[in-house]
Amino acid sequence: NAGVTQTPKFQVLKTGQSMTLQCAQDMNHEYMSWYRQDPGMGLRLIHYSVGAGITDQGEVPNGYNVSRSTTEDFPLRLLSAAPSQTSVYFCASSPDRTGRSIQYFGAGTRLSVL
Amino acid sequence: SQQGEEDPQALSIQEGENATMNCSYKTSINNLQWYRQNSGRGLVHLILIRSNEREKHSGRLRVTLDTSKKSSSLLITASRAADTASYFCATGPNSGGYQKVTFGTGTKLQVIP
Repeated sequence: NAGVTQTPKFQVLKTGQSMTLQCAQDMNHEYMSWYRQDPGMGLRLIHYSVGAGITDQGEVPNGYNVSRSTTEDFPLRLLSAAPSQTSVYFCASSPDRTGRSIQYFGAGTRLSVL
Repeated sequence: SQQGEEDPQALSIQEGENATMNCSYKTSINNLQWYRQNSGRGLVHLILIRSNEREKHSGRLRVTLDTSKKSSSLLITASRAADTASYFCATGPNSGGYQKVTFGTGTKLQVIP
């Protein structure tokens, strides 16, 4: 039981490049979410999903796309990276599809956009 | 905007002392959770307190919730060097349906051996 797995752990991009941050969980959780963490800002919710085929925006969704084709996977796409997207990204899942229960976090992806 | 705001932003104590950190929030909640983050790691859930509870214990952790003041506190008793980490509160609006769980800015705790 690996929990929540994020790949890659580190990534450097040039402005304008695109990439996908991967997130997978093996706990059969319906609720999954993406956060970004910036110094002094805490964690901010980007997008979340309450099940396969259902996604919604969080607090800071601009510049990011998500999809949820399976219960296990919730990838986050940066279509055209900008320096403002330099951050640490965390994926989380929860057994409660309303999001009211405990969230289990991945180890994070450190992204630098030059 | 952040739903939860922790204070202090940073706290430094000696091993064996108690550490108290506070969280204030803005809207009605279903529950409030506390998480710990060690440097360079993901967040780990510590404790969840429901809106109809006033106090909850888990080992050396004690959490209180005052919904009238929209505030919560986390007390770590007999602190250890291993408690050095950042601590975050997390809340979700009590508006039914799906929740957008939001996190505060965190309290950075340093426990000096």
